[in-house]
Amino acid sequence: DGGITQSPKYLFRKEGQNVTLSCEQNLNHDAMYWYRQDPGQGLRLIYYSQIVNDFQKGDIAEGYSVSREKKESFPLTVTSAQKNPTAFYLCASSIGGTGTPGKLFFGSGTQLSVL
Amino acid sequence: DAKTTQPNSMESNEEEPVHLPCNHSTISGTDYIHWYRQLPSQGPEYVIHGLTSNVNNRMASLAIAEDRKSSTLILHRATLRDAAVYYCILKIYGGSQGNLIFGKGTKLSVKP
Repeated sequence: DGGITQSPKYLFRKEGQNVTLSCEQNLNHDAMYWYRQDPGQGLRLIYYSQIVNDFQKGDIAEGYSVSREKKESFPLTVTSAQKNPTAFYLCASSIGGTGTPGKLFFGSGTQLSVL
Repeated sequence: DAKTTQPNSMESNEEEPVHLPCNHSTISGTDYIHWYRQLPSQGPEYVIHGLTSNVNNRMASLAIAEDRKSSTLILHRATLRDAAVYYCILKIYGGSQGNLIFGKGTKLSVKP
């Protein structure tokens, strides 16, 4: 079945450590996104990518980094510069670029906590 | 940025219709209205979207006001599995960032 796979489901970060969240899709979608969700809140955009080897900052990119070397993969690194990383992280993809009306397909999320 | 306003929570009885309202008074002519829902500890799931005309699919119906400043998501017969947070979102067309802006949504509770 086609879809988006996020791993791991739970992740713990130590002080000063960088951690990488994986996101893989087999939907052949061009655009991919990373969102952060805090308890009881909506989703906030961290980074998005419309095409391989290109990505743009979202609303809260500070302390995060991404790469898009393959169409299927869009990993997110939470760096030590992100002082409040505890949150639920969601990866999504969509057909075509961000200027289209197409729908988003979401993964099941990664819960990141600080030890 | 165009934003939406939704009630924080709503309750419904099982097997009854549910009307979830959304106000988007600053919507522009090219913004699509999207609805997603999110179950606890899961990613959001697409429900429906529209531009000007009312839309129906197997999950729900979307009624859009003539002036497009409000819309209503209609679940025709609520089930316990419909209990979720429902997000009304404007899909801003074009520009450098055509992403979806998610608010806090409406938490729908369904009573048996």
